[in-house]
Amino acid sequence: DAGVIQSPRHEVTEMGQEVTLRCKPISGHNSLFWYRQTMMRGLELLIYFNNNVPIDDSGMPEDRFSAKMPNASFSTLKIQPSEPRDSAVYFCASSLGQITGELFFGEGSRLTVL
Amino acid sequence: AQSVAQPEDQVNVAEGNPLTVKCTYSVSGNPYLFWYVQYPNRGLQFLLKYITGDNLVKGSYGFEAEFNKSQTSFHLKKPSALVSDSALYFCAVRDSGYSTLTFGKGTMLLVSP
Repeated sequence: DAGVIQSPRHEVTEMGQEVTLRCKPISGHNSLFWYRQTMMRGLELLIYFNNNVPIDDSGMPEDRFSAKMPNASFSTLKIQPSEPRDSAVYFCASSLGQITGELFFGEGSRLTVL
Repeated sequence: AQSVAQPEDQVNVAEGNPLTVKCTYSVSGNPYLFWYVQYPNRGLQFLLKYITGDNLVKGSYGFEAEFNKSQTSFHLKKPSALVSDSALYFCAVRDSGYSTLTFGKGTMLLVSP
C-alpha cells in the first residue's frame, strides 16, 4: 500500500511568493493533519481535518496560511505571501480517526524561503 | 490540556548496551502514548503505543516501552542498541478527551560502534 504522499519534497522560493504544498492521505483514512517541524519549535500541529472538515486550525500561524481538503484523497497547505520565517519541513499525516490510532506521516516537504 | 516532555536532547550509548529514552506526560483523562522515530530527511515512523492493559509494550525493531502511571512516564527501551538505531525519537500523547497528538521536542539517540 502506498503511504502518505507529499509534494513537492523540496521547494525553494523567494519572499512574497505563493507556496502550495500537497498531500494525498492513505486511502480509507478519514483524519488528516498538517505539522510543521523546525529546529527551534519542534513539531507543531497546524491544522486537523476529520472527514474533510477542518476541526482545529488553532495552530495556523496567521492569515497567510490556509489549508483545504476538497475531498478524501487530497489536501493542500498554502502560504501567501511566504516569508523567510516560514522555512521549515511541513509534514502531512493521516489516520483512521480512532482516538487510539497512530498517525502515518509522509516524507515531508522542505520549504526554503529566501 | 495535554503535554509531553522529553528531558534529554541527546542520549549517547555504545553499541550492544541497553538504551533508555525518557518521556513524561501530563493529561487530565486517560493517556494514549506513542513513540515515533525519525531518520534524517524522512518522515516520522510509528514504533509502538500504549492504550491500555500490560504496562510493557513491545514494538518495532526490538524496542519496548514501559508505562508507569504513578510517575506519568513512558520510557522507550531496547536491551541492546545498534548503530542503525541512531535517529531522532519522539514521544507523543493523546488525552482520552482529545483528537490530536501532542509531540515532545524529540531526543537524538546516537549509538557509537
